[in-house]
Amino acid sequence: GENVEQHPSTLSVQEGDSAVIKCTYSDSASNYFPWYKQELGKRPQLIIDIRSNVGEKKDQRIAVTLNKTAKHFSLHITETQPEDSAVYFCAASMGTGRRALTFGSGTRLQVQP
Amino acid sequence: DGGITQSPKYLFRKEGQNVTLSCEQNLNHDAMYWYRQDPGQGLRLIYYSQIVNDFQKGDIAEGYSVSREKKESFPLTVTSAQKNPTAFYLCASSRGLAGGGETQYFGPGTRLLVL
Repeated sequence: GENVEQHPSTLSVQEGDSAVIKCTYSDSASNYFPWYKQELGKRPQLIIDIRSNVGEKKDQRIAVTLNKTAKHFSLHITETQPEDSAVYFCAASMGTGRRALTFGSGTRLQVQP
Repeated sequence: DGGITQSPKYLFRKEGQNVTLSCEQNLNHDAMYWYRQDPGQGLRLIYYSQIVNDFQKGDIAEGYSVSREKKESFPLTVTSAQKNPTAFYLCASSRGLAGGGETQYFGPGTRLLVL
């Protein structure tokens, strides 16, 4: 089955700096890659997603890049703010068969004011 | 994701007891999912259902059971066979195969504790 690895497990940046979180996946059949933000005790919230026919997607301060050949995708947050502090999860799913998400282990982002 | 509800918010289980977690959605989504989250960990798939009256085991189905008798509802039962049930349980839904939408939206979660 699919395996998703996520790095780093913790990330501390100064307010205004950029943050980058990287994930790799194992199954070349995966074609949908969402990113979720989870605050303490809350539900995961979708922040951005990308499909395998696209190499990059942006939404204001957030961007995701996908390298299908290398089977990795990354989340980029620019001009970080204290409210960006949370745990971020990447995930992958296939277009056929199970279609459920396989999640990475999460990255705890701390933005220092 | 405001259209997915889970109850109760907290649930306490005694030894040998079966407990049922509720998940309801009014988004007209075909697919529904149950995930388990342990402290400081990612989400692991317990069961999923792509359509009414059909469901499939996920990666950690042992000790759990589900039913999907209605499109809106996907209850999860934690049986006495699940020896370490303490976790945060999250239900999700998506438009599914027919709707062509894979984006999953999560409910607020149920925190299960063992007495």
